[in-house]
Amino acid sequence: AQSVTQLGSHVSVSEGALVLLRCNYSSSVPPYLFWYVQYPNQGLQLLLKYTTGATLVKGINGFEAEFKKSETSFHLTKPSAHMSDAAEYFCAVSGGSGNTGKLIFGQGTTLQVKP
Amino acid sequence: GAGVSQSPSNKVTEKGKDVELRCDPISGHTALYWYRQSLGQGLEFLIYFQGNSAPDKSGLPSDRFSAERTGGSVSTLTIQRTQQEDSAVYLCASIPGGLGTGELFFGEGSRLTVL
Repeated sequence: AQSVTQLGSHVSVSEGALVLLRCNYSSSVPPYLFWYVQYPNQGLQLLLKYTTGATLVKGINGFEAEFKKSETSFHLTKPSAHMSDAAEYFCAVSGGSGNTGKLIFGQGTTLQVKP
Repeated sequence: GAGVSQSPSNKVTEKGKDVELRCDPISGHTALYWYRQSLGQGLEFLIYFQGNSAPDKSGLPSDRFSAERTGGSVSTLTIQRTQQEDSAVYLCASIPGGLGTGELFFGEGSRLTVL
């Protein structure tokens, strides 16, 4: 079984500051890991994903995340926050190769960017 | 259509009434998922379809919830005798056939308010 924990339901940063959103997962099989973003009144959009291979993955809008198996983590970072990054971010895990495609999501983290 | 389409986008109903929510997945996508997004609850998995079959309906919260899919395309989520706790955004997602990298393509959701 898989589960996801996102530490911090709300994160506030200043424009230009580092963004760090934390995600820890639990999985009994090699996981696939995802970050989705949801802008106000919109559906979820994929930011980035890890399946196999390179553990540092780069996504859209300057975001990246690193898969650390030893820490069961997949934290999302961006070096410099922009006002347009204000949104809700969801980390998700699936059962990897051979799974049904079903994703288990964390509770979400709302990112606020202050001018 | 180009993306996952859901209707209605907003539904207000009275407690005890039945509601139907519709999802039209991306053409050719054989797998379809329903999720529920409630305040403070993140995204909860409800049900998964592969074609017209539902091999995983483990997330349906009660027997008031049901879903079907016809023609391997459109899906309908039905909530009978709605309760106030059913108020949420119901999200539909689809992926192409096969067990790929698990990226789900989401619709914009149907916001249900039960008075």
